[in-house]
Amino acid sequence: GDSVTQMEGPVTLSEEAFLTINCTYTATGYPSLFWYVQYPGEGLQLLLKATKADDKGSNKGFEATYRKETTSFHLEKGSVQVSDSAVYFCALSDLLMDSSYKLIFGSGTRLLVRP
Amino acid sequence: GAVVSQHPSRVICKSGTSVKIECRSLDFQATTMFWYRQFPKQSLMLMATSNEGSKATYEQGVEKDKFLINHASLTLSTLTVTSAHPEDSSFYICSARGRALVIQYFGAGTRLSVL
Repeated sequence: GDSVTQMEGPVTLSEEAFLTINCTYTATGYPSLFWYVQYPGEGLQLLLKATKADDKGSNKGFEATYRKETTSFHLEKGSVQVSDSAVYFCALSDLLMDSSYKLIFGSGTRLLVRP
Repeated sequence: GAVVSQHPSRVICKSGTSVKIECRSLDFQATTMFWYRQFPKQSLMLMATSNEGSKATYEQGVEKDKFLINHASLTLSTLTVTSAHPEDSSFYICSARGRALVIQYFGAGTRLSVL
């Protein structure tokens, strides 16, 4: 079945450092890919998305490119801030497999940014 | 973006009582709502998917009689944890999707503590 694999955390960085969180996926159809962010004690917020190969999603300085050839959707940010500290979830939705647009989540990667 | 309101944000109850959690879509019609459970420092586990006006579809291993889901209108879904026990203590999160939307929008979550 479909699945999402994320790099394990926690990832600890100094402020203004470059961030990469790896995400790879397995899917039968042509999934849409998402990054969600969860701040402590809160629900999930959509960070960015990409719906087809070579699409680049971007928001708040974060970027991720849908790479079909490597089945990847790595999250990047050029200069992280303390306020970026949160848990980041990579997810996919495969309409071919499930018409309800069910999300399949990776395990989440905790990011800690130190001043 | 679309707004999903989840209430209450936190609830403490005695063992054996039932607890109801509400999930409302405030500015769109939610044809599909999802209920997740999240254990500390873990990813989200999908419990069930509900479509307005029909019975919820539960994931394997989730007790239908324990976690009652009602999706009576296009803006409201409820999760009732019946005869709650300490092992039901968890963070419960809902999400909603509109008819023409690929994206799921998440509520802020409900932390349930059963004493």
